Amino acid sequence: AQKITQTQPGMFVQEKEAVTLDCTYDTSDPSYGLFWYKQPSSGEMIFLIYQGSYDQQNATEGRYSLNFQKARKSANLVISASQLGDSAMYFCAKRGSQGNLIFGKGTKLSVKP
Amino acid sequence: SQTIHQWPATLVQPVGSPLSLECTVEGTSNPNLYWYRQAAGRGLQLLFYSVGIGQISSEVPQNLSASRPQDRQFILSSKKLLLSDSGFYLCAWSLFMNIQYFGAGTRLSVL
Repeated sequence: AQKITQTQPGMFVQEKEAVTLDCTYDTSDPSYGLFWYKQPSSGEMIFLIYQGSYDQQNATEGRYSLNFQKARKSANLVISASQLGDSAMYFCAKRGSQGNLIFGKGTKLSVKP
Repeated sequence: SQTIHQWPATLVQPVGSPLSLECTVEGTSNPNLYWYRQAAGRGLQLLFYSVGIGQISSEVPQNLSASRPQDRQFILSSKKLLLSDSGFYLCAWSLFMNIQYFGAGTRLSVL
């Protein structure tokens, strides 16, 4: 079964510092996609970044970057220069066989001023 | 640009009552549509997905059902709600198997 593991239930980071949120996954698919979403307290799931398994370079989107290590089956999210508005739940997800997303249990990030 | 609308935002319903949650997408055609449920403090669980009008696939057996009467409309229903149906329901769309974009969600409390 495909599984996404996020081992950090909660993380704290000082404003303006960088933080890494961990994600590992199980898969036997030769090709797959990995996603990170942000869920603020309002509940909406906001897409942050995508990494394809055959992409040669790690994905970046503004302050977000993905540290993709295929052999280790890890896809960690790095947020640089944390802001107070980054406080939220963060979910790692993998595309399933039906095009759906298989989510991890999430990491709650708290940014301290 | 594409937008997704989901309503209502909050719903409190008694056990045994019916349910209808609606989701519509604007600005695109023939999207894949998804209904997810999120229990408190957990990740999202896929309930239903649809690749076209009238085409519904269910992932989790339950007393919920879904329908897609129009290309960009996706409805989640129940004839009789259970306490265990409480949760946060999210609708999402994507083109083929690309990035999924989510609506604002519906918080359902069954009392």
